[in-house]
Amino acid sequence: GNSVTQMEGPVTLSEEAFLTINCTYTATGYPSLFWYVQYPGEGLQLLLKATKADDKGSNKGFEATYRKETTSFHLEKGSVQVSDSAVYFCALRTNAGGTSYGKLTFGQGTILTVHP
Amino acid sequence: NAGVTQTPKFQVLKTGQSMTLQCAQDMNHEYMSWYRQDPGMGLRLIHYSVGAGITDQGEVPNGYNVSRSTTEDFPLRLLSAAPSQTSVYFCASSWFRGDSPLHFGNGTRLTVT
Repeated sequence: GNSVTQMEGPVTLSEEAFLTINCTYTATGYPSLFWYVQYPGEGLQLLLKATKADDKGSNKGFEATYRKETTSFHLEKGSVQVSDSAVYFCALRTNAGGTSYGKLTFGQGTILTVHP
Repeated sequence: NAGVTQTPKFQVLKTGQSMTLQCAQDMNHEYMSWYRQDPGMGLRLIHYSVGAGITDQGEVPNGYNVSRSTTEDFPLRLLSAAPSQTSVYFCASSWFRGDSPLHFGNGTRLTVT
């Protein structure tokens, strides 16, 4: 079946530091890949997505590149802010047949805390 | 635009009580789903639907029922609440395509005592 593995947190950084959150996946077919962000007390919001190999998703200074050869979709940001403190989820969705069709598979989430 | 609307935001139940969590979306999405979020467990799929009249089980369906009589609404019923169902519940909707992201509601925080 499909699965997503994220680096374990929590991650604590100082403002303006560089961020990487690792994400690797296993899937049948050719999945689309997503990063979601969840701020305290809120639902998940789509941060960025990539739908095919070598695509780069970007939003709000965050970037992630769909790497089929390494089955990875690592999230990066060059300079984090206090307001980036949240939980980040990597996820995949596939059009492949079988019981996984159309379902979103999530990683466990990574808690990011950014200090001033 | 309202997007995905969940009610109530908070609920406290006693063991054995029943209740319905409401979910409505105004984007005409075919696909709707319910997740529960527990500390250290990420999000787990409870039930999902690919259109009106069509529902199916996810990873953790026991103790929950769903129905989909309209495109817009997808209520989740707890038949006899148990403390193990204390969780935060999220409803989400999307187009039924592999490249379509889910749109989430703001959640219902349920406590069963």
